[in-house]
Formats: sequence, C-alpha cells, structure tokens
Amino acid sequence: QKEVEQNSGPLSVPEGAIASLNCTYSDRGSQSFFWYRQYSGKSPELIMSIYSNGDKEDGRFTAQLNKASQYVSLLIRDSQPSDSATYLCAVNLAHRRGSTLGRLYFGRGTQLTVWP
Amino acid sequence: EPEVTQTPSHQVTQMGQEVILRCVPISNHLYFYWYRQILGQKVEFLVSFYNNEISEKSEIFDDQFSVERPDGSNFTLKIRSTKLEDSAMYFCARQHVANTGELFFGEGSRLTVL
Repeated sequence: QKEVEQNSGPLSVPEGAIASLNCTYSDRGSQSFFWYRQYSGKSPELIMSIYSNGDKEDGRFTAQLNKASQYVSLLIRDSQPSDSATYLCAVNLAHRRGSTLGRLYFGRGTQLTVWP
Repeated sequence: EPEVTQTPSHQVTQMGQEVILRCVPISNHLYFYWYRQILGQKVEFLVSFYNNEISEKSEIFDDQFSVERPDGSNFTLKIRSTKLEDSAMYFCARQHVANTGELFFGEGSRLTVL
C-alpha cells in the first residue's frame, strides 16, 4: 500500500511564479503532515509542518491540508532559482499501534525547477 | 550548523563486510532515528531509538542491522554483512520538538557496496 503519493514531476516554473506541489495519503487517521526540501545529494530539510485543516503560511511557503480529501499541498510564492530541489511530502502514522512519532512515510518527491 | 553530525560522509566497502555508521547529536536528545534512501527512491524509515532501546523498527531492519548508543553520546548503525542492495544514503535524525513528528536530519552517510 502506498501511504503517500506525489507527482514526480518534474515541475518547471519561471522565476517569480507560484509553484504548486501536491500530495495525497491513504490513511484517514493521519494527524501530522510535513514538507521537506531535498537538494541533490543532500539530506531532507524540514520546511513546513501542518496538523489541522486549512492553510498555514510561513514566508513564501503555504501548506494546505484537507483531511476529508486526504490531500496536502505546498505553494511556493515568488519562486526563486534557489527553490529548485525535490520536495518531499511526509506523513506520520503515530495513531497506529506501536508506531512512533518520528516514523514518517515519505512520498517519492516532486522535482521542482525554477528557471530565471 | 547541523543538529546531528554523521560519519563517515562516504564509505565504500566490499560485499559481506561489516559497516558502522555513526551519528553524534549536538545536544542531548532521547529520540533518534535512522532512515535510508536508495538512489532515486523514497526516504525509508529503518529504526527509532529511545532512551537506549529500540522503540520501533521497520521490515527493512532485519537481523543484519543493529543500533547502539555505546557511550551515551554516539549513536551507531551497524550492518553486519553488507549486500549490494544496502548501497544507499543513511540518515540519522532527531526529533525537533518533543511530541511532534518534526525531524532534523543529519547530512547523511553514503554507503557504496561493491
């Protein structure tokens, strides 16, 4: 069973545009959702976490969660070439018996390219 | 500055050899995790370690793998007899804040098995 699914992309947007990244998850009991950024050859870097339905904004990043649709998205406003990376969606299933908080299920990631 | 430091950054080994990957936290934390990422694949959970005990492990974490915190500081992942399919990036992570799933990852150790 694929816990987390993302469009692999690549997604290509011009500098200054809005990049929209999408993620769906399979377990309705999921409570915690995360977006990580991963540059090529580097480790994942947490950029957003979201726990309740609606939008959460942090600078140029907005995470959106819709638990009814089992859907999480990340919007990047005013995209910059430095945003070019792979964006990983991750879900925690700590509500499952025996599962720890830090056990995350990752999607395959969406590769984003922002061209100048 | 990374929250955790991992060594070695890259290790090349022959199939069947033992490998030890190390993770050193910058500050004292109780919860640690090992993840791996095979090239081009998902980041996958291996094991969580709390208060010097394994609290959860995945189906990937078979008898070839073990974790220890031998001196109360370093946190190690040992692969007893490496296989070609163990070639991957191995990431150590700690929880950012208690009672959340937010993780800070180390820079990773790249393992190449020949």
